Amino acid sequence: DIQLTQSPSFLSASVGDRVTITCRASQGISSFFAWYQQKPGKAPKVLIYGVSSLESGVPSRFSGSASGTEFTLTISSLQPEDFATYFCQQVNSYPITFGQGTRLEIK
Amino acid sequence: EVQLLESGGGLVQPGGSLRISCAASGFTFSSYAMTWVRQAPGKGLEWVSLITSSSASIYYADSVKGRFIISRDNSESTMSLQMNSLRPEDTAVYYCARQTTGTRQFSYWGQGTLVTVSS
Repeated sequence: DIQLTQSPSFLSASVGDRVTITCRASQGISSFFAWYQQKPGKAPKVLIYGVSSLESGVPSRFSGSASGTEFTLTISSLQPEDFATYFCQQVNSYPITFGQGTRLEIK
Repeated sequence: EVQLLESGGGLVQPGGSLRISCAASGFTFSSYAMTWVRQAPGKGLEWVSLITSSSASIYYADSVKGRFIISRDNSESTMSLQMNSLRPEDTAVYYCARQTTGTRQFSYWGQGTLVTVSS
């Protein structure tokens, strides 16, 4: 199974900050990698797919990148609506796996 | 508009069974792989099972293999998850989602249905 180690688990930041969340895969996963945002009581919403492609309707302040087996989600300038929990996901092989999540809170 | 609506959740005793369903609308259901993802209270996301568009391929997480059965009815645009031998650790909100063909992300999700396994 491919393990995804997401960090940090918790992040406190201010509106306007640039933040980075990282996900490290236990083995290569090609480009089948996505990031999701989840707000309390709601279903997850995909932000980034294929490592760096922005899902339709997602603001351009969100971006994704990768270096080897390390994947990064960057929010260039935090907005109030961005405070949520973020999950990474690999869909390269079964079982499909998610990272454990990063809770982003207002400082 | 794509809509996914789960139903069938509820309280069940350990060892019991439950069938949850997902009704789809707003797209050609038979063209897409569909999946179940669950989330235990206060925990992260756990992928459960996936069924391809024609039901030719089915996949399960090890945690549910041999106990859960995924199925779909393309004529009715519905997907189901038959859950047997339920355990307290199966307690979660169960989401159905549609997988995007090619890039494989889960682009559309339902609102979830809560399954509680407790005596």
